[in-house]
Amino acid sequence: DSGVTQTPKHLITATGQRVTLRCSPRSGDLSVYWYQQSLDQGLQFLIQYYNGEERAKGNILERFSAQQFPDLHSELNLSSLELGDSALYFCASSAEGWTEAFFGQGTRLTVV
Amino acid sequence: GQQLNQSPQSMFIQEGEDVSMNCTSSSIFNTWLWYKQDPGEGPVLLIALYKAGELTSNGRLTAQFGITRKDSFLNISASIPSDVGIYFCAGSLDSNYQLIWGAGTKLIIKP
Repeated sequence: DSGVTQTPKHLITATGQRVTLRCSPRSGDLSVYWYQQSLDQGLQFLIQYYNGEERAKGNILERFSAQQFPDLHSELNLSSLELGDSALYFCASSAEGWTEAFFGQGTRLTVV
Repeated sequence: GQQLNQSPQSMFIQEGEDVSMNCTSSSIFNTWLWYKQDPGEGPVLLIALYKAGELTSNGRLTAQFGITRKDSFLNISASIPSDVGIYFCAGSLDSNYQLIWGAGTKLIIKP
């Protein structure tokens, strides 16, 4: 158990809909990262938050947004969903001054 | 975005064989990380390397931080069925920079 919690584990929704994925980082970790992993693909970095502020942005679509709340949990919002958005979405967290990221179990999103 | 070159892309091996995989980058890194991902699960950190030339072991796994700081290697000795999965390398300059990821090496054990 990495200490990073993601909910829900599975999500099935229709095209055009909007969903919110939630992540609770390890206790004390200030950084939260979101990754997308399509079937049999590598990890695509989406966005990083540090203590509530956006720190780095990767290949995140304009239809996607994220935020980190004062209690350090984070949410990834995906809107106007398309079939191609079906993927595993991972959240990871890391401690101040450390590069190592610890991953949650992921949310499997299926868009039908 | 920027990626590390990780090879091989996949490996078919017999149980008991030793395995080697590597990552190379055009940029230097100060940290190299190796992760393993089981199907449908999140990646799990195996080994972290912080110093050029460093050799670190974790059970049957051994990883090295290349002297040039542009590459890293992971070796698995005497592979067993539970070694199956995807191995990812990741590199970073430091905690203020995002991790750069390899595309993964898929390890498959021949029955």
